[in-house]
Amino acid sequence: SQQGEEDPQALSIQEGENATMNCSYKTSINNLQWYRQNSGRGLVHLILIRSNEREKHSGRLRVTLDTSKKSSSLLITASRAADTASYFCATGYSSASKIIFGSGTRLSIRP
Amino acid sequence: SQTIHQWPATLVQPVGSPLSLECTVEGTSNPNLYWYRQAAGRGLQLLFYSVGIGQISSEVPQNLSASRPQDRQFILSSKKLLLSDSGFYLCAWSNVESGGNYGYTFGSGTRLTVV
Repeated sequence: SQQGEEDPQALSIQEGENATMNCSYKTSINNLQWYRQNSGRGLVHLILIRSNEREKHSGRLRVTLDTSKKSSSLLITASRAADTASYFCATGYSSASKIIFGSGTRLSIRP
Repeated sequence: SQTIHQWPATLVQPVGSPLSLECTVEGTSNPNLYWYRQAAGRGLQLLFYSVGIGQISSEVPQNLSASRPQDRQFILSSKKLLLSDSGFYLCAWSNVESGGNYGYTFGSGTRLTVV
């Protein structure tokens, strides 16, 4: 079964606004990763946050991790039309050589 | 630099026909390799992963099989395709390290339609 569940399933915002997507998971993790997928394409790795980290930044991306609530959020600031895509969280484990993906959030940026 | 190649990009196959999708990685050695399937508008389902030549772990019982004949080659196969095998198939690789503390790099995917 899928470990991460994103919320919301779909999000539509105006260009220039901030977009926030959330991910919840059920069991203890070693790390949590966020990916972007443009329609019909492969996934692109955005950012990885380890279980002992609380916040991480990369350009306009900000990821937080709350292990006590088993949740993470991805914030995209000053959104652009090119940010339109599906965003997936994935959870990694210390005892496994695989990561488990959630069902994704479809983000649409209106011009 | 590391690159991953996956082909073909699209494939239309009749029910009952065989399948072979190939994925190769360049610029790294002994990678972990993965096959995922994605149904339309859905998340990714892990099908198989491999931590070394000849080592295949299957995540879901199904009509498909995987093989790793060489260090950087991962093949997804089926002897007889079903309609339910239609989907978007993605190959990925990661560095070998317990806990997956590296991001995955994905291929561009194969859109398979079984008719």
